[in-house]
Amino acid sequence: DIQMTQSPSSLSTSVGDRVTITCRASQSISSYLNWYQQKPGKAPKLLIYLASSLQSGVPSRFSGSGSGTDFTLTISSLQPEDFATYYCQQSYNTPPTFGGGTKVEIK
Amino acid sequence: EVQLVESGGGLVQPGGSLRLSCAASGFTFSSYAMSWVRQAPGKGLEWVSAISDSGDRTYYADSVKGQFTISRDNSKNTLYLQMNSLRAEDTAVYYCAKSERGWYRLDYWGQGTLVTVSS
Repeated sequence: DIQMTQSPSSLSTSVGDRVTITCRASQSISSYLNWYQQKPGKAPKLLIYLASSLQSGVPSRFSGSGSGTDFTLTISSLQPEDFATYYCQQSYNTPPTFGGGTKVEIK
Repeated sequence: EVQLVESGGGLVQPGGSLRLSCAASGFTFSSYAMSWVRQAPGKGLEWVSAISDSGDRTYYADSVKGQFTISRDNSKNTLYLQMNSLRAEDTAVYYCAKSERGWYRLDYWGQGTLVTVSS
């Protein structure tokens, strides 16, 4: 199975800050990388697919980059509604695997 | 509007069985692969199983292979997960999710149903 490693596991930040979350795959997954946002008690929501494509309806402050084994999710200017946990997931092969999550908290 | 509504969760004793359902609406259910993903309390996301649009292909996580069975009824727009020989470590919120363009781009998720395995 492909292992997905996210860092950091948590971060404290402020509204308006730029936030960067990284995700590393244990082998090359080309661009088959998705990012999800999950708020407490809610289902995950797809933000980014194929590493850099913005899902319909997702604000443009979210962006993704990378290919191969190293990927990044960036939030250009954090908004109050962005405090949540973010997961990366590879969709390259079966089983699809998720990173451990990054919890973005208010400083 | 795409809607996925899970049901069937609850408290079950170790060794027991449960069948989860996921009622789909707002899209052509028979055209999309579907998955189940679970989340243990306070933990991350774990993919459990997937089924093709027609139901002829199924995949499972090693952790549930031989224990869970995924199926679908396209005439009823419903996805199922039959869970047998349940263990404490199967305690989780179970989400159904729709796949877009392939197997594992999960673009819509249900609200989840909690399964608690305890005596």
